[in-house]
Amino acid sequence: EVQLVESGGGLVQPGGSLRLSCAASGFTFSIYWMSWVRQAPGKGLEWVANTKQDGSEKSYVDSVRGRFTISRDNAKNSLYLQMNSLRAEDTAVYYCARGGRQFEYWGQGTLVTVSS
Amino acid sequence: DTVMTQSPLSLSVTPGQPASISCKSSQSLLHSDGKTYLYWYLQKPGQSPQLLIYELSSRLSGVPDRFSGSGSGTDFTLRISRVEAEDVGIYYCMQGIHLPWTFGQGTKVEIK
Repeated sequence: EVQLVESGGGLVQPGGSLRLSCAASGFTFSIYWMSWVRQAPGKGLEWVANTKQDGSEKSYVDSVRGRFTISRDNAKNSLYLQMNSLRAEDTAVYYCARGGRQFEYWGQGTLVTVSS
Repeated sequence: DTVMTQSPLSLSVTPGQPASISCKSSQSLLHSDGKTYLYWYLQKPGQSPQLLIYELSSRLSGVPDRFSGSGSGTDFTLRISRVEAEDVGIYYCMQGIHLPWTFGQGTKVEIK
C-alpha cells in the first residue's frame, strides 16, 4: 500500500524557517517524480514545487522560488521542503504527492502556520 | 501563468441526476506529444485530494465509470453521469503543461 506521511509543520514567526519531511513507503520511491502542493485555510490548491527522480531537475512556483528548496533522499525514501523567510501567506496545509504533474497519491498533509 | 477558470463554482445535484463542470484554460493544454495535460481532482470533505481523470480523459484505476473527462485545447468538461452521495466535495481541474502547474478555483458539489 502506497503511503506518504508528512511531518514538520507547526507555528513559526514571519521570517522564520521550517523543514517539512515526507516519508514514502509501499512503492519504489526512486523512480518517481515527487511534488509539494499546498492549500491555504479555506482556499484552493496550489502547486509549490517538484523534483525529478534523481533530484537533478526542480521547479517552483514563483511565489516561493528563492525561499523554498525541494530535495529528496532516495536512500531514505524521503522528500523534503526547506522553507526559509516564511511569510503569512505561506500559511497552509502542505501535501506531499507522488508524481511530477500527475498526483496519483497524496499524503494527509501537515499544517504550517506563519504568525507572530 | 496559465489561468484555469472553472464554472460553476457550486453545484447542487439530485442523486441519480447528471452533473457537469466546465474548466477553461488561458493557453492550450495540447502538447506536441499529442497528449492534453489536463487533470481532474476531487477533494472530499476532510480528506486529501484524489486524482480522478488524467491526460484529459483517462480514468484512474478504481474511479467509477460514471466520471468522464472531455474537451480539447482550452475547453474541458468533467461529467458525472449519475451523481451519488459519495461524490460530494470540491472538484479541481489542473493543467500540467505550462510551469507553474495551476489549478482551477474549485467547484463545490453538494447533494440536494
